[in-house]
Amino acid sequence: SAVISQKPSRDICQRGTSLTIQCQVDSQVTMMFWYRQQPGQSLTLIATANQGSEATYESGFVIDKFPISRPNLTFSTLTVSNMSPEDSSIYLCSACSTTNEKLFFGSGTQLSVL
Amino acid sequence: GENVEQHPSTLSVQEGDSAVIKCTYSDSASNYFPWYKQELGKGPQLIIDIRSNVGEKKDQRIAVTLNKTAKHFSLHITETQPEDSAVYFCAAITGTYKYIFGTGTRLKVLA
Repeated sequence: SAVISQKPSRDICQRGTSLTIQCQVDSQVTMMFWYRQQPGQSLTLIATANQGSEATYESGFVIDKFPISRPNLTFSTLTVSNMSPEDSSIYLCSACSTTNEKLFFGSGTQLSVL
Repeated sequence: GENVEQHPSTLSVQEGDSAVIKCTYSDSASNYFPWYKQELGKGPQLIIDIRSNVGEKKDQRIAVTLNKTAKHFSLHITETQPEDSAVYFCAAITGTYKYIFGTGTRLKVLA
């Protein structure tokens, strides 16, 4: 299984500011993804992080709001831009191994926007 | 679109009893069905999975069954313990890396 380190684990931010979340995987992975989990809800895919190119966003999510980078196979960042209280959620980094489609998650970033 | 329904949303059992969580998927092309356990303040952890060519899989106190004809699969936890208390998510995968998650079940094991 892949070990995924995500930081920060939590943050409290002011409205209008931006936060960048970092994700590091300990092994070679094929795919990296970013999910959002609103309080008491299921997991919603924000985007697929593509190595060396623009991320692929799901319906309802745009690059200007959630810019994503993936400069190499094992590292990715998600920025939550111009935050509002509605952005308060858990943000999860995930990755699939190179050998199968098993999906593993980081510990998440608990974001609160005041 | 693809959909995964999960029931119940909450489940309380006495310690030592069994717990069953059920999911139904809509896309008959789905071929991989993992289950995740999420404890408070943590990310989801993969606990067991099953592929479409298998009807049942067991790992100690946890088992998963799959009925492809009816398009539903279930998680069974036997001899429940307080540390089994968590939120459980099912998922169905169609194609490559396309995960559809259920809405989650909050399991409480009462000591």
